[in-house]
Amino acid sequence: GQSLEQPSEVTAVEGAIVQINCTYQTSGFYGLSWYQQHDGGAPTFLSYNGLDGLEETGRFSSFLSRSDSYGYLLLQELQMKDSASYFCAVPMDSNYQLIWGAGTKLIIKP
Amino acid sequence: DAGVIQSPRHEVTEMGQEVTLRCKPISGHDYLFWYRQTMMRGLELLIYFNNNVPIDDSGMPEDRFSAKMPNASFSTLKIQPSEPRDSAVYFCASSLSSRGAEGYTFGSGTRLTVV
Repeated sequence: GQSLEQPSEVTAVEGAIVQINCTYQTSGFYGLSWYQQHDGGAPTFLSYNGLDGLEETGRFSSFLSRSDSYGYLLLQELQMKDSASYFCAVPMDSNYQLIWGAGTKLIIKP
Repeated sequence: DAGVIQSPRHEVTEMGQEVTLRCKPISGHDYLFWYRQTMMRGLELLIYFNNNVPIDDSGMPEDRFSAKMPNASFSTLKIQPSEPRDSAVYFCASSLSSRGAEGYTFGSGTRLTVV
């Protein structure tokens, strides 16, 4: 079957760098996406990796290694407003709609 | 564009009552998704539409749930009769593709409480 694994919680210090990992198991591969969700809010799209390598968007970067079925989200210069849950997602093999990881709660300490 | 618009933001209803959630997707997005989110089960896909046609409703919990998309700018999710276990946040999302390379845009959600 298809599955995604990501840590349930990560703690970091304001101003630091944090990496949130995601491993996936799929028969085919159609891209890895990342979303951010603040408490009480809706998921918002952060990034998409269709090919191996690093995609950078400001303080956030996302990396993909298809050979390792692995990706990560890198957050730099952490700010308190980055405290949120982060979800990785991949399209299903059968109909390409997304399946979601359980989410990683990022706790940032001053 | 105003984004994906959902209504109501909050709904409190009594068990057995009918509940209707509404969604207006982003114009030009061909895909519309209804999700349910709870602490226990995370984000679950209930049903999705492509060009107003339901493609996969295997996530709909049971016959009490139904969804429609009469046109490209409007969709409803109905629960009849509602039960306390239906209490959750319901999100509508739209996108250009199902694979999500351009990202899914979510509405603000409807927090449903069934008492």
